[in-house]
Amino acid sequence: DGGITQSPKYLFRKEGQNVTLSCEQNLNHDAMYWYRQDPGQGLRLIYYSQIVNDFQKGDIAEGYSVSREKKESFPLTVTSAQKNPTAFYLCASSMWAGETGEQYFGPGTRLTVT
Amino acid sequence: AQSVAQPEDQVNVAEGNPLTVKCTYSVSGNPYLFWYVQYPNRGLQFLLKYITGDNLVKGSYGFEAEFNKSQTSFHLKKPSALVSDSALYFCAVRDPSFSGGYNKLIFGAGTRLAVHP
Repeated sequence: DGGITQSPKYLFRKEGQNVTLSCEQNLNHDAMYWYRQDPGQGLRLIYYSQIVNDFQKGDIAEGYSVSREKKESFPLTVTSAQKNPTAFYLCASSMWAGETGEQYFGPGTRLTVT
Repeated sequence: AQSVAQPEDQVNVAEGNPLTVKCTYSVSGNPYLFWYVQYPNRGLQFLLKYITGDNLVKGSYGFEAEFNKSQTSFHLKKPSALVSDSALYFCAVRDPSFSGGYNKLIFGAGTRLAVHP
């Protein structure tokens, strides 16, 4: 997990509330990613960003939003429009020459919405 | 469509025995393949990758993986399993439709490895 921090580790929210998950990296990586992990499924890509002020939707972006105001930071907001937000959320980063490079993952945030 | 399959939900092995976690892929062009491990309530840790070259790739913690192009497989192996190897293992392949510095990965559903003393 070294180099990427996510906070908080556990997060509880009431239905209808927006919530923001933090992701910070000190690896000087250009690209950052947000994934969602559900039991029995592989990771699914929510959003990704290559540079500051630029980000793209992944496979399951509906109900989520992101920002990339700093190279080190890529926060994810889970909005009330997300129908099933309870999940484990993972942030990752990779170098610019990342087509063959591995992604480095943070420790994750487990979000529970009731 | 690009995809990754991990046909076993769980693999059980006795400590000291060799282990294999299977992965097959379907992707256009040359595959870039990765293995990650996840311990409970933690992020994923990179184990190894295949980009090109030798079909046998060595990685962290004594793991290795064998790339087989004809069988479109990339099985993870270890000669002697440890109880501490018990975890969730993910195979991933780079999505070739992405370029420009992104490395979009397509993940398998994961295989839970249980090593018994």
